Amino acid sequence: EPEVTQTPSHQVTQMGQEVILRCVPISNHLYFYWYRQILGQKVEFLVSFYNNEISEKSEIFDDQFSVERPDGSNFTLKIRSTKLEDSAMYFCASNSYNEQFFGPGTRLTVL
Amino acid sequence: AQSVTQLGSHVSVSEGALVLLRCNYSSSVPPYLFWYVQYPNQGLQLLLKYTSAATLVKGINGFEAEFKKSETSFHLTKPSAHMSDAAEYFCAVSESSGGSNYKLTFGKGTLLTVNP
Repeated sequence: EPEVTQTPSHQVTQMGQEVILRCVPISNHLYFYWYRQILGQKVEFLVSFYNNEISEKSEIFDDQFSVERPDGSNFTLKIRSTKLEDSAMYFCASNSYNEQFFGPGTRLTVL
Repeated sequence: AQSVTQLGSHVSVSEGALVLLRCNYSSSVPPYLFWYVQYPNQGLQLLLKYTSAATLVKGINGFEAEFKKSETSFHLTKPSAHMSDAAEYFCAVSESSGGSNYKLTFGKGTLLTVNP
């Protein structure tokens, strides 16, 4: 069964460093998403992406964040200069009509 | 704007007892509603979804949920809890933002513990 994959599963970085989180959505899906979940809190929408551009973004998704689909399979989330409060689980998802399929997540720890 | 309220951040039941996890939603258009389960240190797994067909929706692992428009609710139930059901459960609502862009808004989650 097709699935969304994410790498790495866990990333540790120093405050101020750039990180890139990678996702491979399900191949015939057209909409891609990033969500984050700060420890003990709810899952929050960050951004949706379609046809090589951002469809919608939340107020969390500020200038420090960017997304890209560099090739036909990968979908990346870049955080330019990480802050302590960026520590969270980041989930990638892709859409089949009205159902989203989630990846296993990347746990980002900012020290 | 859409929103979800999950009543009870923690529900504890005995093995074999009824599970009831509550979810109320707010949406300006007919919503799509979902329940996801998250086991410790894992991702989100879809349990079931309501997409404007039958109001009683059956999902995996014996769970079901009923969409009640008059009560703006989508409560999750299971007749008999199993130890393996212990996990965090998230209710979510989505509205199409155009095309097939279905941004999800999640509730805060309910942690279910099952006692032997």
